[in-house]
Order: sequence, then structure tokens, then C-alpha cells
Amino acid sequence: GQNIDQPTEMTATEGAIVQINCTYQTSGFNGLFWYQQHAGEAPTFLSYNVLDGLEEKGRFSSFLSRSKGYSYLLLKELQMKDSASYLCAIVDSNYQLIWGAGTKLIIKP
Amino acid sequence: DADVTQTPRNRITKTGKRIMLECSQTKGHDRMYWYRQDPGLGLRLIYYSFDVKDINKGEISDGYSVSRQAQAKFSLSLESAIPNQTALYFCATSDLGGSAGGPREQFFGPGTRLTVL
Repeated sequence: GQNIDQPTEMTATEGAIVQINCTYQTSGFNGLFWYQQHAGEAPTFLSYNVLDGLEEKGRFSSFLSRSKGYSYLLLKELQMKDSASYLCAIVDSNYQLIWGAGTKLIIKP
Repeated sequence: DADVTQTPRNRITKTGKRIMLECSQTKGHDRMYWYRQDPGLGLRLIYYSFDVKDINKGEISDGYSVSRQAQAKFSLSLESAIPNQTALYFCATSDLGGSAGGPREQFFGPGTRLTVL
């Protein structure tokens, strides 16, 4: 079967760094997406990893280890507008996205 | 103008009623998707379409049907709505992925909040 685990909620301080983890089990793997979703809004694309390693994009970085079934999203220099849910999704063997339940990130001043 | 639009944005209906949710896109993408999102659960795929003549069931298609009227339009119907279909519904689009048709990012509409009483 397929399973994706993310923490339900995390809290961090403005200006700090936070790491949101995603672990997965899947019979087929064709990459992993991270999306951001503000409350009541549509998810928006943040990153895509298919090879092991770190992809950096401004304040956001995403890491993947295929052998460990593990990814993380790293957010630096946190801003209040980063308060949102962060969704991890794996691409299965049929190229469909399987979504985690998301991690709600709360930023405090 | 938004690239992916959904109508209506909010709908309250009663058990047993037929409901249609509509999605339109101006991105020129061939692939379109319908998802539902429930609190504490991830997005779940209801139906997807790779082109006008290609319709596929997703993880939770029971109780739903779809119609791909044109490349730009993909409608979701609830033939006889029930309370456990109360959820936030998203339409999404993507284009073809590279030479191997691999995954590409999906672009989401603003969502339709449906309540079935």
C-alpha cells in the first residue's frame, strides 16, 4: 500500500528556521511535490524532487532521500505570511499524486 | 484573470439533490483533475481526464460522475448528494510532462465549498 506521514501541526517564531518532515511508503515512486495552502485557498506549488539531494529556491529548500522514503521542506527567515499548511505529495507508479494530510504551520511574532 | 476557475464557490444543498460543479481553465492544459479535501485528510482524487476523450476514475469516484465538454471544461456531478459529500472540492490542471510524460505541477482552482444537509 501507500502511506504518507507528516506532522499535523508545528509552531515556529518569526525570523527563525523550521523543517517540515514527510515520510512515505510506496510501491512505485516518480517524485515528490511540496505545496503551500493558505486557509480556505487553493494549494500552490513550491517544489518537486525526483533525485536525492537538496533543491534550494530562495527561502525554501526541499530535500529528498529515496532510500529512506523521506523528504523535508526547510523554511528560512520565517515571515508571518508563511503561516499555512504544507502538503507533501508523492507521484506513484501510475504518475498520480498521493497526498499527505498536510502540516499546519503557525508562525508567532 | 484566474487561470483555473470554479463555479459555484459555495453551495448548500439538501440530501438527494443533483449538484454540478464546473471548472474552466485558460492555461491550455490537456490534463484536468477533481479532488475533494476534508479536514485532517489529504486531497483525494475523484476523477481525472488526460484529454476530451479520456476519463478515468480516481480513488473515490463512487457517487460522482464527470463530463469533459471541451479541453477547457471539466464538470463534476453528484447525482444524489449525501451529507458525507460535504467537503471542499478542487479542480486542477497540468500539462504533459517532458519526453516521458512524467509528472508536472498541478494548478488548482479556488475551490468550491459544498455543504449537504
